[in-house]
Amino acid sequence: EAGVTQSPTHLIKTRGQQATLRCSPISGHTSVYWYQQALGLGLQFLLWYDEGEERNRGNFPPRFSGRQFPNYSSELNVNALELEDSALYLCASSRAGTGTYNEQFFGPGTRLTVL
Amino acid sequence: QQQVKQSPQSLIVQKGGISIINCAYENTAFDYFPWYQQFPGKGPALLIAIRPDVSEKKEGRFTISFNKSAKQFSLHIMDSQPGDSATYFCAAGNQAGTALIFGKGTTLSVSS
Repeated sequence: EAGVTQSPTHLIKTRGQQATLRCSPISGHTSVYWYQQALGLGLQFLLWYDEGEERNRGNFPPRFSGRQFPNYSSELNVNALELEDSALYLCASSRAGTGTYNEQFFGPGTRLTVL
Repeated sequence: QQQVKQSPQSLIVQKGGISIINCAYENTAFDYFPWYQQFPGKGPALLIAIRPDVSEKKEGRFTISFNKSAKQFSLHIMDSQPGDSATYFCAAGNQAGTALIFGKGTTLSVSS
């Protein structure tokens, strides 16, 4: 069974630009979660999608947005990039959004560098 | 109330020793407590998880101890090996499938 995949592996942008990160969940998983892992800050929850709907978002500004496609893959968009957006962005997937214990499996991440 | 506090921040253990990492939470709605292991340049990997209806869960050399009344849980790594050197994250969540709340991580170094 293939794991969670993310692309690109690395992304370099300049301040003010937009970044788009992509995630493909494990086959059979309908929920996708996005987390930001900045140096020294652990994993911070960004967004949760299930069955194509945004279910919850963390304490991040609206310039962080995303969507989930009919095949359950997901895209994270970060607009008006700031230097402090530099981080590892992790995607996780789980089998279902509600009613089950929340086993989340992570991809390898996309390293975003904002210059 | 949504925080998960993890300690220590870093840990050095001799090969063959026991590594112990502790976490504490405040929100009593949490009912799922996983531990993740992360190697440099990789995403976190689910290591072991516990639910509050049991006080201990063991998988190989890894054991979670859970104290519901104290709202604390810990990871014990028995017979620690150099290959266990990684960053470990505790987390808390609930059955509703909301996002996990992570501790800030513990960097474990096992010296040979």
